[in-house]
Amino acid sequence: EVQLVESGGGLVQPGGSLRLSCAASGFTFSDYTLNWVRQAPGKGLEWISYISSDSWAISYADSVKGRFTISRDNAKDSLYLQMNSLRAEDTAVYYCARDLNWHLIDWGQGTLVTVSS
Amino acid sequence: QSALTQPRSVSGSPGQSVTISCTGSSSNVGGYNYVSWYQQHPGKAPKLMLSDVSKRPSGVPDRFSGSKSGNTASLTISGLQAEDEADYYCCSYAGGFTWVFGGGTKLTVL
Repeated sequence: EVQLVESGGGLVQPGGSLRLSCAASGFTFSDYTLNWVRQAPGKGLEWISYISSDSWAISYADSVKGRFTISRDNAKDSLYLQMNSLRAEDTAVYYCARDLNWHLIDWGQGTLVTVSS
Repeated sequence: QSALTQPRSVSGSPGQSVTISCTGSSSNVGGYNYVSWYQQHPGKAPKLMLSDVSKRPSGVPDRFSGSKSGNTASLTISGLQAEDEADYYCCSYAGGFTWVFGGGTKLTVL
């Protein structure tokens, strides 16, 4: 059974930093591309970042470019999102999602990030 | 990276059919056959319902179907059931390893 488990969310002050993790199991992690998608409270889904299976290709939504960094450790079956210079508008549930042929086939349960003073 | 346009809400009675539209541009929906649809129940993670415009993953009922014409994709749910009540999101590949979601549509089963 495929499992994606996010962690690392919490309350952080504006301007602060947070590192999210996503632990994967049930599939060959190094074979798949991965994404982060977020959802602000009561709002829709927003794609924010992509990383290829061997990290050669990385992309970001304009809303997080220059502030967030995606990475992965295939030896640890883990995906990460380093979030810096956080803003109130970054408050959201952050999901990691496994990608197969340009669609998101499996999602984690999400981790809540709250940016507030 | 503007969001795709979906109706905010649709509704239908059990057994009826509803269609949710998703309008983008030639840079996303119109330019690629990589449109997917996700169902999200309150407090739950999204679930893939359709990929590549109209392909159903294993386990998704054939009541769910998809199509695309130009810059607009559509999700049709036939034979509505109570458990279909949820939020639905379209998503399109937008080139350069980027994706864009629609704003979401709340489906109410009357």
